[in-house]
Amino acid sequence: AQKVTQAQTEISVVEKEDVTLDCVYETRDTTYYLFWYKQPPSGELVFLIRRNSFDEQNEISGRYSWNFQKSTSSFNFTITASQVVDSAVYFCALSEGGGNNRLAFGKGNQVVVIP
Amino acid sequence: DVKVTQSSRYLVKRTGEKVFLECVQDMDHENMFWYRQDPGLGLRLIYFSYDVKMKEKGDIPEGYSVSREKKERFSLILESASTNQTSMYLCASSSGQGASYEQYFGPGTRLTVT
Repeated sequence: AQKVTQAQTEISVVEKEDVTLDCVYETRDTTYYLFWYKQPPSGELVFLIRRNSFDEQNEISGRYSWNFQKSTSSFNFTITASQVVDSAVYFCALSEGGGNNRLAFGKGNQVVVIP
Repeated sequence: DVKVTQSSRYLVKRTGEKVFLECVQDMDHENMFWYRQDPGLGLRLIYFSYDVKMKEKGDIPEGYSVSREKKERFSLILESASTNQTSMYLCASSSGQGASYEQYFGPGTRLTVT
């Protein structure tokens, strides 16, 4: 069985503050993939990043950064210097290596950036 | 760019009606998925298909069926709609047979069953 936990439901920050979203996953597979998606108010989920279980290198893309730690089964996401356009629901998801691209999603974090 | 389209953004149906939700993707993807999204529950997989005429149950298939007669089209069918099927329905597609491929999502259909 696979499971993804995103503990915080709604997070409010003032513009230009940093915000970190926690994601903890459970899997018995040694090969798996982790994803983050963004769902803006328009409703369409947008793919942000993918990480495989053999690549623990952290990644930075503009104001976004991701911290993958297998030792704690976590794949956390940080938005630096938040902007109003970052207001959205963010989902973490897990896909197991032997599977057929089936994703298990966390419940999502609603991020509200206050101008 | 991958494009996944869904037939309606908003739909209102009556209890007991048969409801068809259509999804079309234009990138020749093998895999297609139907999810429902409810507040506090995130996205839950209803059905998916990895090839034409193939389908597999997801986590919550009860009350739903699917059809995939053509590679680009994946339909979700509510045989007899009930109020507890009021939800946001999201369709997605992905290429390849492995677990590494990201899914591309449509804009969603908000279904209300009265």
